[in-house]
Amino acid sequence: LAKTTQPISMDSYEGQEVNITCSHNNIATNDYITWYQQFPSQGPRFIIQGYKTKVTNEVASLFIPADRKSSTLSLPRVSLSDTAVYYCLVGDPPQTGANNLFFGTGTRLTVIP
Amino acid sequence: GAVVSQHPSWVICKSGTSVKIECRSLDFQATTMFWYRQFPKQSLMLMATSNEGSKATYEQGVEKDKFLINHASLTLSTLTVTSAHPEDSSFYICSARNPGVAVNTEAFFGQGTRLTVV
Repeated sequence: LAKTTQPISMDSYEGQEVNITCSHNNIATNDYITWYQQFPSQGPRFIIQGYKTKVTNEVASLFIPADRKSSTLSLPRVSLSDTAVYYCLVGDPPQTGANNLFFGTGTRLTVIP
Repeated sequence: GAVVSQHPSWVICKSGTSVKIECRSLDFQATTMFWYRQFPKQSLMLMATSNEGSKATYEQGVEKDKFLINHASLTLSTLTVTSAHPEDSSFYICSARNPGVAVNTEAFFGQGTRLTVV
């Protein structure tokens, strides 16, 4: 499994766009990049996943450069409720069955009023 | 969507006693579930992989005799912390993926169980 490196913490004001970058220099050809969000005393929640270029859903965008050695999670116009820890994971998603996930340190985002 | 549910959400027990935590997949069958432990302000650490109908696979450094895992059905895995001690106090989280989807990319996590050993 490719190791990931993220900033330990970030602060942002409400309404701003937040970009969290994750480095994964040893990403393998079959690996996907997945981001999870975790609030205190809750289990992680899936945010977005991608393989290359750009992926967008209703809550975030994921930008992946051509070399795939990094990725950036973009949260548009954050609110106080976006204060959480964000984890970047890299791995090969299963076609069937289940596969374990290894979490890195994550980025603790604090949104300031 | 798919949901994974844990019970209890929190538990306090006396040192030396055992505690059982349940993890259920509510609308899909999971042949494999995963148990994590998370200490305050730290990341999730994978403890073991729970396999339906067979023995669990434990990560290095996790005592299999202390953390008993049973996956007796396709929707239920249990983690029993035996002879709990204060250092076992932690947040325990389970997860599973839905194998019924051809290409499933999302892991579902339970809400976690806060164990406090006094």
